Amino acid sequence: QVQLEESGPGLMQPSETLSLTCTVSGFSLTSNGVGWVRQPLGKGLVWMGTIWAGGSTNYNSAVQSRLSISRDTSKSQVFLKMNSLQPEDTGTYYCARHYYGSPFAYWGQGTLVTVSS
Amino acid sequence: DTVLTQSPALAVSPGERVTISCRASESVSTLMHWYQQKPGQQPTLLIYLASNLESGVPARFSGSGSGTDFTLTIDPVEADDTATYYCQQSWNDPWTFGGGTKLELK
Repeated sequence: QVQLEESGPGLMQPSETLSLTCTVSGFSLTSNGVGWVRQPLGKGLVWMGTIWAGGSTNYNSAVQSRLSISRDTSKSQVFLKMNSLQPEDTGTYYCARHYYGSPFAYWGQGTLVTVSS
Repeated sequence: DTVLTQSPALAVSPGERVTISCRASESVSTLMHWYQQKPGQQPTLLIYLASNLESGVPARFSGSGSGTDFTLTIDPVEADDTATYYCQQSWNDPWTFGGGTKLELK
């Protein structure tokens, strides 16, 4: 069945670069898009960006200058890198499968990232 | 960006009918979707393309609307429906979510 699992460091210092991995199973990255959605503690959901089946990417302009999403199809992994972290980047980061114009049908469990000195 | 506006919270009794609204700042056609999120869990898809019930979701949930005004209805509400409900549009880039409606049971 379709599964996604996020992994990452948990605790980061301000100004550092965040690296998260989304490992997927039950579907191919060459046929499906994977997006990243962030949820600050106690707040709502914000789409950050997506890597599409063909390998192209879309980013939310709010984080575009700091964000990069890539993938390794042979390992069924999608990567998020975001630089210049600030405390307001604290929250739970989810990866989710979706197609252009479609909903986020499958979600990972999320990984909590805390940015603090 | 397309702003989606939801009421922050609702309180209903089990067995009642509840409607949760979502208003978009511009038309999103029918590319509106609804999610349920329980504390400590990831969101789960309930309704896609405004009115289509996701597989495995109880028929107590239904969605309607087009353009800028959308509604999620739960009828009847059960105790397990305590959660926050989010709308999300996929018509305009960036894809955006509403602020969420927290549903509490009396």
